[in-house]
This record gives sequence, structure tokens and C-alpha cells, in this order.
Amino acid sequence: EVQLVESGGGLVQPGGSLRLSCAASGFTFSRYAMNWVRQAPGKGLEWVSSIRASGVGTFYADSVKGRFTISRDNSKNMVYLQMNDLRAEDTALYYCAKDCYDSSAHLDEGTWGQGTLVTVSS
Amino acid sequence: EIVMTQSPVTLSVSLGERATLSCRASQSVRSNLAWYQQKPGQAPRLLIYGASTRATGVPARFSGSGSGTDFTLTISSLQSEDFAVYYCQHFNIWPWTFGQGAKVEIK
Repeated sequence: EVQLVESGGGLVQPGGSLRLSCAASGFTFSRYAMNWVRQAPGKGLEWVSSIRASGVGTFYADSVKGRFTISRDNSKNMVYLQMNDLRAEDTALYYCAKDCYDSSAHLDEGTWGQGTLVTVSS
Repeated sequence: EIVMTQSPVTLSVSLGERATLSCRASQSVRSNLAWYQQKPGQAPRLLIYGASTRATGVPARFSGSGSGTDFTLTISSLQSEDFAVYYCQHFNIWPWTFGQGAKVEIK
């Protein structure tokens, strides 16, 4: 069974930092790009960042570029989101999501975790 | 970035009736389109990917169609557990973008 479990969320002051983690299991992790998506309270879904299967190639939403860094460890089946200089508008549930295509361009079912809550407030 | 527009924003439907939700992309996303269902306090649940493939465990009353810029999610006979918010999302290129969401409510 494909599973993604996020952790690392919490309450942080504006300007602070957090590191989110996502533990993956049930699929060949190193063959899939991974993504982070967030949802602010009462709002819709917003893509945040992505990283290619190999780890070479990262992408960011303009709203987080220069502040967030995505990384992965294929030996541990983990993906991370380092969040610096956090702002009130970063308050959201952060979801880890497996890509729908593997590295051979085979279409597969995407999967999301249950999310981890980040609250930025003084 | 590609803009995804859903219509209608709210759909009032009676139990057992058919519901049809639309999603339009501002440029072609081929068949790289997914539909999600979200209920209050829950993570989004994948219903459809590749525009028309049902995800594991999704009932047959859910179906997706379309390609290019115009897509449809159809719920053939609404059940009580189907009242929720539905999102479309393209995964053709990064950045992924999502529709604004469409709420299916009880009539």
C-alpha cells in the first residue's frame, strides 16, 4: 500500500524556520518526482514545490521562492521542505504528494499524505 | 502558469440525481488532469487521474472525460457521502495548478 506520512509542522513565530518531512512507503520512491501542496484555512489548494526523481531539478511557487528549499534522500525514502523566513500567509496544512508519472513516463496513481499543520503567529 | 477554471462554483443536487462538474484549462494539458474530493477536516481524496482513470477504490458512479482544455467529472447518481468540494488539477508541467473548487450541496 502506498503511504505518505508528513511530520514537522507546528507553531512558529514570523521570521522563524521549520523543516517538514515526508516518509514514503509502498512504492519505488526513487522513480517518482515528489511534491508539496498546501491549503490555508478555509481556502483552496496551492502547489508549493516539486523535486525530480533523481533530486536534480527543483521547482517553487513564486510565493515561496528564495525562502523554501525542497530536498530528498532516496536511500531513506524521504522528502523534506525547509521553510525559512516564515510569514503569516504561510499558515496552512502542508501535504506531501507523489507524482503521477514515474521516471519512465508511465502514468500511475498519485497519492497524498494526510498533511501537517504549520501555523505562523506571534 | 496554466489557469484552471471550474464551473459551476456551487451545484445543488438531489439524492440520486446526476451531477456534472466542468473544468477548463487556459491552455492544453493533454490528459494530465486529476479530480479530487474533499470533505471538511479531511485531506483531498484522488478520484480520477489521467482525465478518465478512476483511482483505486473509487465507485463506478464517478467518471471523468475530456482532454486538452475541457474536462468533466460526472457523478451518475448522487449518494449522501458525495456531498463535498471537488477540485480539478493539472499535472502537465510544473507549476501544478488547481481549480478554485466546486461545492456539491444537497438540494
